[in-house]
Amino acid sequence: EVQLVESGGGLVQPGGSLRLSCAASGFTFSASAMSWVRQAPEKGLEWVSTFSHNGDSTYYADSVKGRFTISRDTSKNTLYLQMSSLRVEDTAVYYCAEGHWELYHWGQGTLVTVSS
Amino acid sequence: EIVLTQSPDFQSMTPKEKVTITCRASQSIGTSLHWYQQKPDQSPKLLIKYASQSISGVPSRFSGSGSGTDFTLTINSLEAEDAATYYCHQTTSFPYTFGQGTKLEIK
Repeated sequence: EVQLVESGGGLVQPGGSLRLSCAASGFTFSASAMSWVRQAPEKGLEWVSTFSHNGDSTYYADSVKGRFTISRDTSKNTLYLQMSSLRVEDTAVYYCAEGHWELYHWGQGTLVTVSS
Repeated sequence: EIVLTQSPDFQSMTPKEKVTITCRASQSIGTSLHWYQQKPDQSPKLLIKYASQSISGVPSRFSGSGSGTDFTLTINSLEAEDAATYYCHQTTSFPYTFGQGTKLEIK
């Protein structure tokens, strides 16, 4: 059974940093593309970033480019999202998902609140 | 950026009815269009991939069609458990984008 468990969310001040983690199990993590999608309170879904299956490429939404970094540790089967220079508008539930195009499996999400 | 516009934003239906949700892309995206269902306080769930391809474990009453700029998600014979928000999602070009969502209420 595929499981994705996000962690690392919390309250952070504007301009601060946070690192999200997504622990994966039940599939071949090292051969899978992974993505982050976020959802602001009472809003729709927004694609944030994708890490290609072979690790050669990373992709970012314009709204986070230069501030967020996606990475993975295949020895720990864990996906990361390093977030810096956080803004109030980054407040959202952050989901990790398996896939590059169609997103087959999703975690339960972790809430990031950016507020002073 | 490719903009996806869903219609309607909200729909209220009764069980056993058929519902159609549309998604229009601002430019042609071939069939790189996927549909997700999100129930309250839950994570999204993949329903249909590449416009019309079914997903294992998803009830057969869910189907998708379309190509280019116009796409449709159809739910035949609605059930109470289908109450959710539905999103379309394009992966033709970066940045990938989602539609604004269609909230489906079951009376």
